[in-house]
Amino acid sequence: AQTVTQSQPEMSVQEAETVTLSCTYDTSESDYYLFWYKQPPSRQMILVIRQEAYKQQNATENRFSVNFQKAAKSFSLKISDSQLGDAAMYFCAYRHGGAQKLVFGQGTRLTINP
Amino acid sequence: DAGVIQSPRHEVTEMGQEVTLRCKPISGHDYLFWYRQTMMRGLELLIYFNNNVPIDDSGMPEDRFSAKMPNASFSTLKIQPSEPRDSAVYFCASSLRLAGSSYEQYFGPGTRLTVT
Repeated sequence: AQTVTQSQPEMSVQEAETVTLSCTYDTSESDYYLFWYKQPPSRQMILVIRQEAYKQQNATENRFSVNFQKAAKSFSLKISDSQLGDAAMYFCAYRHGGAQKLVFGQGTRLTINP
Repeated sequence: DAGVIQSPRHEVTEMGQEVTLRCKPISGHDYLFWYRQTMMRGLELLIYFNNNVPIDDSGMPEDRFSAKMPNASFSTLKIQPSEPRDSAVYFCASSLRLAGSSYEQYFGPGTRLTVT
């Protein structure tokens, strides 16, 4: 069974600085997708960024980028120029290419210090 | 688009009562998912539907839980009878299967259920 591990329960960063959230996953599949979701205090789950396993290029969305290391099964999220609005729980998620089920990590609580 | 709509946003009920949670997926989406989020277990998939048909209900914790999708724009998750350990946030999500896409799931705002 696929598993997703986020080893950092909590992280904090100064406003305007850069922070990296870690995620590792375990799978024997070659076709899969990886996602980062943000859950602010409003508890709405918001998709931040996605990565297709077949793509070598790391995905970027404005201040958010990933470091996808397929051989190491690692999928970290880098947030540049951190803003107060980035404070939230961040969840890493995996989906096998042929399936619909998302497998989530336990989440990392990110605090932004002004 | 209005996004995924869930109601109610908050529900407080007494143990033994029936609880019904409602979800309206994004128009045109053909997959609908029900998740439960707790501190202890994180986010768990309970059940999902494709074109209104239940595909995988292996995450439904027990027979007290049931889900239906009578049409493409409405789904319910029912708990009868409810127990304090059912207290959690319940999310509904929907997605669209398109060739070549990553079928990302879009989540509703969730229903916070408290069973006393």
